[in-house]
Amino acid sequence: GESVGLHLPTLSVQEGDNSIINCAYSNSASDYFIWYKQESGKGPQFIIDIRSNMDKRQGQRVTVLLNKTVKHLSLQIAATQPGDSAVYFCAESPWSDYKLSFGAGTTVTVRA
Amino acid sequence: DTAVSQTPKYLVTQMGNDKSIKCEQNLGHDTMYWYKQDSKKFLKIMFSYNNKELIINETVPNRFSPKSPDKAHLNLHINSLELGDSAVYFCASSQEPLATDTQYFGPGTRLTVL
Repeated sequence: GESVGLHLPTLSVQEGDNSIINCAYSNSASDYFIWYKQESGKGPQFIIDIRSNMDKRQGQRVTVLLNKTVKHLSLQIAATQPGDSAVYFCAESPWSDYKLSFGAGTTVTVRA
Repeated sequence: DTAVSQTPKYLVTQMGNDKSIKCEQNLGHDTMYWYKQDSKKFLKIMFSYNNKELIINETVPNRFSPKSPDKAHLNLHINSLELGDSAVYFCASSQEPLATDTQYFGPGTRLTVL
C-alpha cells in the first residue's frame, strides 16, 4: 500500500549546526503534510504543517520544504539545540481525509 | 492542567489477561484517537471517535474494543492479551475529525505482555 517513509532512521548533529530531516511519500493524493516531534517518554508534539499549494513554510527555527514533483518533504532545524534531540515523524493525508499516515521516524541526536 | 492524559503509564501483564487503558482530554475537543507505536517507533492509527461515534476503525483484532462514554473520554479495552500486543499506546484528540486538524497526544501507555 502507499505509505510515508523517511530516508534515514538516525541523524547525529553538532549543537549549533542546522539539521535536515528528509521524508519521502508515495501517495500522490496527499496534499497535507505535517511534522511531529517525539521526545523520549512523551507523546508526539506538532511542529509545523504545510499544504500542497505551498512549497515552503517557516516557523520558529524550523522550515518545512515540499517538493510534490518528487514526493519529498523535509524539515530543517536552524541552530540545533540539545532540546531538539527527539524522534521526528512526517505524516500525510489527502485534504479531506480522516486519517494521518505516519512515517517511520528519524531519531535526531544533538552532540554537545 | 494536562491536556490529554492516559492511565496507567506502564502496564505489565500476562498473556491471556484482559486489560483497559483510559484516556481523558480537557481540551473540549470532539475527536479522540488511539494509536499503537511498535518497537521500531512506527505509529499507526487504530481507532478514532467523533462525538462518541466511531469514524476510523483500522484493521485491528476484535480483541481491541474502544469505548467512548462521553466526548472527553476514550478508553481502550483489550481481551486475551498476546505477546504481539506489547507496544506503546497513545491517545490523541483534535477539535475536528479531519486529518488536517492538529492532534494533541497523551504521554502514552507502555504495555508489556509476558
